[in-house]
Amino acid sequence: EPEVTQTPSHQVTQMGQEVILRCVPISNHLYFYWYRQILGQKVEFLVSFYNNEISEKSEIFDDQFSVERPDGSNFTLKIRSTKLEDSAMYFCASSGDRNTEAFFGQGTRLTVV
Amino acid sequence: QQQVKQSPQSLIVQKGGISIINCAYENTAFDYFPWYQQFPGKGPALLIAIRPDVSEKKEGRFTISFNKSAKQFSLHIMDSQPGDSATYFCAAKNSGAGSYQLTFGKGTKLSVIP
Repeated sequence: EPEVTQTPSHQVTQMGQEVILRCVPISNHLYFYWYRQILGQKVEFLVSFYNNEISEKSEIFDDQFSVERPDGSNFTLKIRSTKLEDSAMYFCASSGDRNTEAFFGQGTRLTVV
Repeated sequence: QQQVKQSPQSLIVQKGGISIINCAYENTAFDYFPWYQQFPGKGPALLIAIRPDVSEKKEGRFTISFNKSAKQFSLHIMDSQPGDSATYFCAAKNSGAGSYQLTFGKGTKLSVIP
């Protein structure tokens, strides 16, 4: 069964450092998303990406965040200068169509110390 | 207005019992209502979804009931099993406005005890 894969599973970084979270969406999907889940809280939308550009972003997705599809398979989330409050589980998701089910990866746990 | 309110926060059900989780929303433009199941250390996985043109959808032991006038929808898990123990999230989306994002509830941690 096709799945969304994310690496690494856990990333620890020092405050102020840049991190890149990586995702390989399902191969024939065209829509890509990042969500985050702070420990014990709800899943929150960050950004969606389609046709090599951001199609929608939330107020959480400020200038510290960027996304990229550097090649035909990877989809990355970069946090330029991490803050303690960026500590969360980050989920990548993909869908074949804007109105169909989004499949989530297993997540990357980011810990900022 | 973008919020989805979910209750209860946690739920303990005996094996074989019925688990009921409720969600309410304000934005009448929401037109897609999925439920996700999340096990520890895993990403959310779609369980079942409904659109507002129907009042109920059943898939196996899982049923969504949808009340458009009350702006509420609920998940019923019949014959609950220990393997159903997980966190359940309701969500909503306004696909008609060209929005891509799912708005999630805060989650319900379900424990099914033998």
